[in-house]
Amino acid sequence: GESVGLHLPTLSVQEGDNSIINCAYSNSASDYFIWYKQESGKGPQFIIDIRSNMDKRQGQRVTVLLNKTVKHLSLQIAATQPGDSAVYFCAEIYRGSYIPTFGRGTSLIVHP
Amino acid sequence: NAGVTQTPKFQVLKTGQSMTLQCAQDMNHEYMSWYRQDPGMGLRLIHYSVGAGITDQGEVPNGYNVSRSTTEDFPLRLLSAAPSQTSVYFCASASRGGSTSYEQYFGPGTRLTVT
Repeated sequence: GESVGLHLPTLSVQEGDNSIINCAYSNSASDYFIWYKQESGKGPQFIIDIRSNMDKRQGQRVTVLLNKTVKHLSLQIAATQPGDSAVYFCAEIYRGSYIPTFGRGTSLIVHP
Repeated sequence: NAGVTQTPKFQVLKTGQSMTLQCAQDMNHEYMSWYRQDPGMGLRLIHYSVGAGITDQGEVPNGYNVSRSTTEDFPLRLLSAAPSQTSVYFCASASRGGSTSYEQYFGPGTRLTVT
């Protein structure tokens, strides 16, 4: 069936670098996308979201890009800090639904 | 606000035992859901509810029951525990604010081991 997936399971970066986490989705009926951060031993935490009628949305140090042509979603983290080390999940909400479907996650490791 | 609370934090069961994982939220959210997370995996949806009295199955509902008698509470029942149900369970609540926003909050999780 259609699902949300991630290209890279682990991403290692140096402190201060910019990080880019990618996500491929295959369900063209999804109209809402969310990025979550999960720290060890905790539940996922909302980072940023984007609707399907948008290409880009910016938050504090984070930017989400949506390319509907190739069904690709990315999360950019500027000036990555050790506190950004976590697992990042993308999730999609199908049109007419209210509950996100999650991808497998990418582990971001930030080296001081 | 306490947000989303889950009890217990840890639980060990023997195969065949039953138990209920508790979940409560104080944000008056209409949507609640249960996910399980296995090592190296994302979150898989077990059951969800779009309002009091309304529940539906997610991706992996077998072996679990839910009910939603109030807006605040959404317990998950394991009918006869199996080792395959060893996992971390997360409860979440959400509110969809019109067409432009969606807020979902997760509880801290319940780590369940079935021996």
